[in-house]
Amino acid sequence: DIQMTQSPSSLSASVGDRVTITCRASQSISTYLNWYQQKPGKAPNPLIYAASSLQSGVPSRFSGSGSGTDFTLSISSLQPEDFATYFCQQSYSTPFTFGPGTKVEIK
Amino acid sequence: EVQLVESGGGLVQPGGSLRLSCVASGFTFSSYWMSWVRQAPGKGLEWVANIKEDGSEKYYVDSVKGRFTISRDNAKNSLSLQMNSLRAEDTAVYYCARWRYSGTYFYFDYWGQGTLVTVSS
Repeated sequence: DIQMTQSPSSLSASVGDRVTITCRASQSISTYLNWYQQKPGKAPNPLIYAASSLQSGVPSRFSGSGSGTDFTLSISSLQPEDFATYFCQQSYSTPFTFGPGTKVEIK
Repeated sequence: EVQLVESGGGLVQPGGSLRLSCVASGFTFSSYWMSWVRQAPGKGLEWVANIKEDGSEKYYVDSVKGRFTISRDNAKNSLSLQMNSLRAEDTAVYYCARWRYSGTYFYFDYWGQGTLVTVSS
């Protein structure tokens, strides 16, 4: 199975800050990497697929990059509605594993 | 508008069975792979199973193989998860999700609101 790790596990940031979250796969997954945002008590929402493609309707302040084993999710200017938990997920092979999540909190 | 509505969750004793359902609307259900993803309380996300558009292919995470069965009824726009021999570690919110292809890439693009399964005596 492909193991996914994320760092940091949590971070505190202010509105307007640039935020970067890292995701690492235990083996190369090309660009078969997706990012989701989840708010408390809600289902996850897709943000980025194929490592860098923005899901329809997602604000352009979100961006993704990377290939192989190392990936990043960036939020260029953090907005109040962005405080949430972010998960990466590989779709290279079954089982389709998720990272443990990064919780973005208000500083 | 795409909608996925799960039902069937509840409290069940260890070793018991439960059947989850998901009714889809707002898209051509028979044209998409579908999935179940679960989330234990306060924990991360775990993919559980996928099923092909016509039901001819099914895939499971190892921890549920032989105990869970994913199925679909395209005439009724419905997805099901039959869960047998339930264990405490199966306690989670279970989400129905659409598994979308975009070119050669795929991801969960729509999710239901989830249904809670609690396995406890």
